Amino acid sequence: QVQLVQSGAEVKKPGASVKVSCKASGYTFIYSTMHWVRQAPGQRLEWMGWINAGNGNTKYSQNFQGRVTISRDTSATTVYMELSGLRSEDTAVYYCAKDRVGAGRGFDYWGQGTLVTVSS
Amino acid sequence: QSALTQPASVSGSPGQSIAISCTGTSSDVGAYNYVSWYQQHPGKAPKLMIYEVSYRPSGVSNRFSGSKSGNTASLTISGLQAEDEADYYCSSYTISSTLVFGTGTKVTVL
Repeated sequence: QVQLVQSGAEVKKPGASVKVSCKASGYTFIYSTMHWVRQAPGQRLEWMGWINAGNGNTKYSQNFQGRVTISRDTSATTVYMELSGLRSEDTAVYYCAKDRVGAGRGFDYWGQGTLVTVSS
Repeated sequence: QSALTQPASVSGSPGQSIAISCTGTSSDVGAYNYVSWYQQHPGKAPKLMIYEVSYRPSGVSNRFSGSKSGNTASLTISGLQAEDEADYYCSSYTISSTLVFGTGTKVTVL
């Protein structure tokens, strides 16, 4: 069965960077597109970007341009999301989500979420 | 990219039908039939309920249906049940090859 298992909670200071991982299993990794979505406490879902796991192509939301980097390790079937220049407003649960077929046509599997807390 | 607009809350009694709207622009909702809907219970990851405007994933109740007209998509829940109480989000692919989510709707079963 498809599983997306994310790394554990993180506490970071303002200005630092965080790297969250998402280990995929149960399907052919290189034939997928993976997205990262975050949700601040009590707030809406916010799309951050996607990566084509096969060729490594990425696309990011303008809201995070320059601060977010999504990468993958095909041998480890793992996707990573690194966010730099952290500020308190980046405190949120970060999710990875697998695209059904690409082009954002529905995220059929989600990771369990990783809480990132930014505090001095 | 601005969020898609959804009503903040919708409520209904058990057995009733409710509809949630999701309004975007010709650059997102109106551009493609790539609108999805997600259900999220407190403290849980979102769950895909509808994809490509009107298709239900395997295992999702047929009480959930989707449609689209122009720049507005809609999710209808018929035969409302207590377990349907949750937050609902729409999302759409955009002409910039990005994704955008809606503002979210809290569904309350009276």
